[in-house]
Amino acid sequence: QLQLQESGPGLVKPSETLSLTCTLSGVSVSSSISYWGWIRQPPGKGLEWIGSIHYSGSTYYNPSLTGRVTTSIDTSKNQFSLKLFSVTAADTGVYYCARHAGPTTTFDYWGQGTLVTVSS
Amino acid sequence: QSALTQPASVSGSPGQSITISCTGTSSDVGGYNFVSWYQQHPGKAPKLMIYDVSKRPSGVFDRFSGSKSGNTASLTISGLQAEDEADYYCSSYTGSATWVFGGGTKLTVL
Repeated sequence: QLQLQESGPGLVKPSETLSLTCTLSGVSVSSSISYWGWIRQPPGKGLEWIGSIHYSGSTYYNPSLTGRVTTSIDTSKNQFSLKLFSVTAADTGVYYCARHAGPTTTFDYWGQGTLVTVSS
Repeated sequence: QSALTQPASVSGSPGQSITISCTGTSSDVGGYNFVSWYQQHPGKAPKLMIYDVSKRPSGVFDRFSGSKSGNTASLTISGLQAEDEADYYCSSYTGSATWVFGGGTKLTVL
């Protein structure tokens, strides 16, 4: 059974870097058909796609966040990660990691989500 | 990349049918047959209900159906049940492996 689990600090100070990791089980992060994505949801608001990465190293980001976000893969730990730089209160929300089985294939497996609050 | 437009709320009585619309542009909904719908209960992760406009993942009841006309996609739920009460989000491929979501619709089962 494919499972994803987010982890990382629940509190980040403004202007600092938000770092999250998604640990996989039941599937290899090096799966050639799988793309690994990040989606966030501000409190009481809708979903926003942040970006996706393929084990080949290809990355794709929401144009509104390009320049502030990077993603990476650690095959030794079967994980992928998100870094969001220079955060503000507007970056507060629940962050989900998810899989999509191809660049045009939608998100079929999701983690449970982790709440990140940006506050001093 | 603007969010897709969904009604803020819809409601229906048990047994009835409801439809939720999702309006985009020719650069997303209208340009690709890669529209999906997700169901989200409070405090839970989204669950995929429809993909590629009208396909249902294994385990999703056939009471849920999807369609598209031009730049607008629709999710129809027939035979409404109490457990269908949730938030629903559409999403669309927008090219170059990028995605956009709708603002979400709160479904109330009266």
